Parts: sequence; structure tokens; C-alpha cells
Amino acid sequence: SQKIEQNSEALNIQEGKTATLTCNYTNYSPAYLQWYRQDPGRGPVFLLLIRENEKEKRKERLKVTFDTTLKQSLFHITASQPADSATYLCALDLTGDTPLVFGKGTRLSVIA
Amino acid sequence: GAVVSQHPSRVICKSGTSVKIECRSLDFQATTMFWYRQFPKQSLMLMATSNEGSKATYEQGVEKDKFLINHASLTLSTLTVTSAHPEDSSFYICSARPGVSGNTIYFGEGSWLTVV
Repeated sequence: SQKIEQNSEALNIQEGKTATLTCNYTNYSPAYLQWYRQDPGRGPVFLLLIRENEKEKRKERLKVTFDTTLKQSLFHITASQPADSATYLCALDLTGDTPLVFGKGTRLSVIA
Repeated sequence: GAVVSQHPSRVICKSGTSVKIECRSLDFQATTMFWYRQFPKQSLMLMATSNEGSKATYEQGVEKDKFLINHASLTLSTLTVTSAHPEDSSFYICSARPGVSGNTIYFGEGSWLTVV
């Protein structure tokens, strides 16, 4: 069956450390993979998109990797800050005009 | 950047009444919009895909007669919760994207529905 899993429901880390979130999927072949941030009571906000032929993408303190052999994406936040506390969602972007397939999210708490 | 506007942000209605939620793409045309539902601390659950000028495509288990979707123009989709019940209370979010796969999807701010 098709599955998308984010390894941790919740992750607590200390300010200044690097947070690493994992997204694994099975029986999908996404052309792209996207990461979103969602704050409580708000809609998700787009962070990064990585293509299937890209290994790594960076944006400021964010880094995403995409391994289509392992069927896994890693999302890193370096020098984490309390303001980074939120739920982070990975989403598979299949071909055509199909909706994204979302993971359940990882709730990140950065402790000062 | 592209913005998707959702209205109302919060609504309280009485059981048995209907509520309409609007989703607008403000600076791009969206032939397709997506409606999600999210319960507290749960993931986004896709309810339906709204197609401009044609019938919406509903996900399994979503009652099309209860959740009426109308995509009347390239910038507006509406979700009407008919004969609402307390169990329909939830956070409803729409999304849209300019173009197809590989483009950023933009989400509305969401609408909190409380049925009393």
C-alpha cells in the first residue's frame, strides 16, 4: 500500500542545534517533494521544493535532501531558534494536477 | 507572491444550518483548487478537488451532498457545509497553485467552523 510517514510526531531540541526531520514514503514515485510549515490554527506555508533529480536544496538556514533510492527526504534547520517551533509537513508532489500527498507532520519545539 | 484568501476565518453556526466558505486566488488563475479538513493535532485530510467549470472530485468517505463544492470561476471556489452537525466542527483549508505539478501550492489561512 502507499504510505508517507514522518518519523517523529514531536521533536524537542535545544536552541542553536540542528533539527533534522525525516520523511519516508513507499509505493509512490513523486516528481517533486515539498516541505511546509504550519503554525497552530493557520494554513500551511510553503518552505522548499526539491525535484527528483536534485540531491539537495538550501534556503537560508534550511536544507532539504531527497534520496529517491531510499525513498526518503531529510529536512534540516540549522542554528534553530524558538521561532522555528511549528509543525513541519512533507508532501509528495506527483505528476499532473493532482493534489499533494501530505505526511502527518512533525511538531518541532525549540527550547531556549 | 501568490496569495490564496479564505473567508470567513471563523464561523459559528447552529446545528442544521448551512455554512459557505470561500476560497479565492488573488493574483493567479487556478483551474483546480483543493479542499482539506484538519482536526486538532491531526494531519491535513484531502476532502475534494475542485475543478473550474465541472464537478468536484470527492475523496472516498466524503459525502458530496453534505459538502457542496462550486468552482464558478478561475479564482473562486466555495465549500458549503449543508445541514451542519457538531461533528462537522473542524478547520477547513483550501489550496491552489498556479500551473501544475512542480509549482508551489498556496494555502488559505483556513476557516474554523464550530457547530453548536
